[in-house]
This record gives sequence, C-alpha cells and structure tokens, in this order.
Amino acid sequence: SQKIEQNSEALNIQEGKTATLTCNYTNYSPAYLQWYRQDPGRGPVFLLLIRENEKEKRKERLKVTFDTTLKQSLFHITASQPADSATYLCALEKGGSSASKIIFGSGTRLSIRP
Amino acid sequence: ETGVTQTPRHLVMGMTNKKSLKCEQHLGHNAMYWYKQSAKKPLELMFVYNFKEQTENNSVPSRFSPECPNSSHLFLHLHTLQPEDSALYLCASSQETAGGYEQYFGPGTRLTVT
Repeated sequence: SQKIEQNSEALNIQEGKTATLTCNYTNYSPAYLQWYRQDPGRGPVFLLLIRENEKEKRKERLKVTFDTTLKQSLFHITASQPADSATYLCALEKGGSSASKIIFGSGTRLSIRP
Repeated sequence: ETGVTQTPRHLVMGMTNKKSLKCEQHLGHNAMYWYKQSAKKPLELMFVYNFKEQTENNSVPSRFSPECPNSSHLFLHLHTLQPEDSALYLCASSQETAGGYEQYFGPGTRLTVT
C-alpha cells in the first residue's frame, strides 16, 4: 500500500542552525510534492510545491529537494528561528486532468530553542 | 487568514444528534475538500468536490454526508456519530483538483462525540 514517512515525530534544533526534515515514500509515483506548516489548533498552510522533474526549489529561508530515485524529499529551514516552531507536513499527489488524490504524511513537530 | 472559513469552530454532540459543519471559500476556487485529522495520524481525505460534483469518496461511512450547493460552499452533515469520530475536521479549497495546485485550509472544526 502507499506509504509516506516523515523522519521523526519531533525535532529539536538550536536557533540559527539549519533544520532538515525528511519525507520518504513507497509504492507511489507522485508528480508533485508539497510541504505545509501547521500550528496548533489551526489548519495547514501551504509553503512550497515541487514537481517530479524539479530537483530543488527555494523560497526565502526554505529549500526543498525531491529525489524520485530515492523516493525522498528533504525540507530545509536555514537560520532557524523560534517562530519556525510548528508541525510540518509533506503531501504527495499524482498528476492528471481529473481528480488527483493527495496523501499526507503524519508530520514532524519542529521546535527551535533560543 | 487563508480565505477559507469554517463554522462552528468547536462542536460537542451526542451519538444520536444531527449536526452540520459549514465551509465557505472566498478565493474563487473550483475544488473543495473535507479532511479528518485525528491525533498522531495523517490527514485523511474524506470527500472531494470539483465544480460542485463529488469526485472522490474515500470509503467514508454513510453517517457523514457531504453537500456542495455551489463552488463556494461545502457542508458536512453528521448523524449518529461514534466516539471514534471525534477529531478535527478540516475544509480546504484549491483552484482545481488536477495536481499541482496548493490547497488552502480553513481553521477546522474540533468535533467531540460523547
């Protein structure tokens, strides 16, 4: 069956360091991979989308890589800040002209300590 | 805010009650989604609507009944729920259901079934 694993349930990082979160998948061939941020009691907020033919995408302090051979995406936050503390979700979806089923990982809770 | 609103934010209901969750999006999107989020579990896609037509029902029990009167509004009608249905119910919208479009989530309805 299709499976998504995010490297760890929780990650603690010292402020200023780079946080790296991992998303691995099996039995799936996604055309797109997305990363979301979710704060407690709120809905997820979209951060970045990367396509299967893209190796890397950047947005300000965020960087996402997508390796379809390893079936893995890495999500990096450079110069991390306490305000970056949240749960980060990866999501995979197939392409196609009709409805595209999207599946989410269970998330990694990131804590940035001052 | 994300442009997606949900009401109520919190709901407590008995197993014999009937209630409805409401979602409205102000983004001009054509696709709307219902998700269930339980503690320590991935987001579970329940229903997908594209241009008011239901395109996915992920084996959701019939005690959950969606309704999409137009592209801006989505309802989830609840009846004879079970305690295990207690969760955060999230509504989302996107430009289309074809892959490659980010989803915008509402704040969710925290449902408790007693």
